[in-house]
Amino acid sequence: KAGVTQTPRYLIKTRGQQVTLSCSPISGHRSVSWYQQTPGQGLQFLFEYFSETQRNKGNFPGRFSGRQFSNSRSEMNVSTLELGDSALYLCASSLRGADGEKLFFGSGTQLSVL
Amino acid sequence: DQQVKQNSPSLSVQEGRISILNCDYTNSMFDYFLWYKKYPAEGPTFLISISSIKDKNEDGRFTVFLNKSAKHLSLHIVPSQPGDSAVYFCAAIGGNTPLVFGKGTRLSVIA
Repeated sequence: KAGVTQTPRYLIKTRGQQVTLSCSPISGHRSVSWYQQTPGQGLQFLFEYFSETQRNKGNFPGRFSGRQFSNSRSEMNVSTLELGDSALYLCASSLRGADGEKLFFGSGTQLSVL
Repeated sequence: DQQVKQNSPSLSVQEGRISILNCDYTNSMFDYFLWYKKYPAEGPTFLISISSIKDKNEDGRFTVFLNKSAKHLSLHIVPSQPGDSAVYFCAAIGGNTPLVFGKGTRLSVIA
């Protein structure tokens, strides 16, 4: 069974640009969550999607958005990039949701904003 | 306000000895706790979990202890092996909130 797949693995952007990251969950998983990992802050929750609906949202500005498609694949978008957005962005999937069971993580997308 | 705290950013242990990683939480609604392990350039992988109705859960070399009154949990690894060197994240769930992670503890097991 294939794991969680995130693309691209690495990305370099400049301030002011926008970026879209993609996540394909484990087959059959309907919940996709996104996390931002930075050295000083650990893993911070961005949002969770379940059956194409955003179910939970973390404390991030509106520049961070996401969506989920009918096949459960998810994308997250960051507009007007700032230097502080440089981080590892992790996607995780689960069967029923991020509020009651373990998550399966992808390897992440390392975003560098110059 | 940080709801899950891992106060030790790093820990070094000799191979064969016990590693103890600690985690504190503040939210009384948390009722399920998990530990994840992360190697560089990989996503976190689930290691072990414990429900709030228990005070101990064991899986091979890994044991998690929960002290609800102190809002404290710990992960014990014994014996520690060089392959255990990684960043360990404590996480908690409760009250229909998404998984909340601590900042992680980097464990180095020295051969």
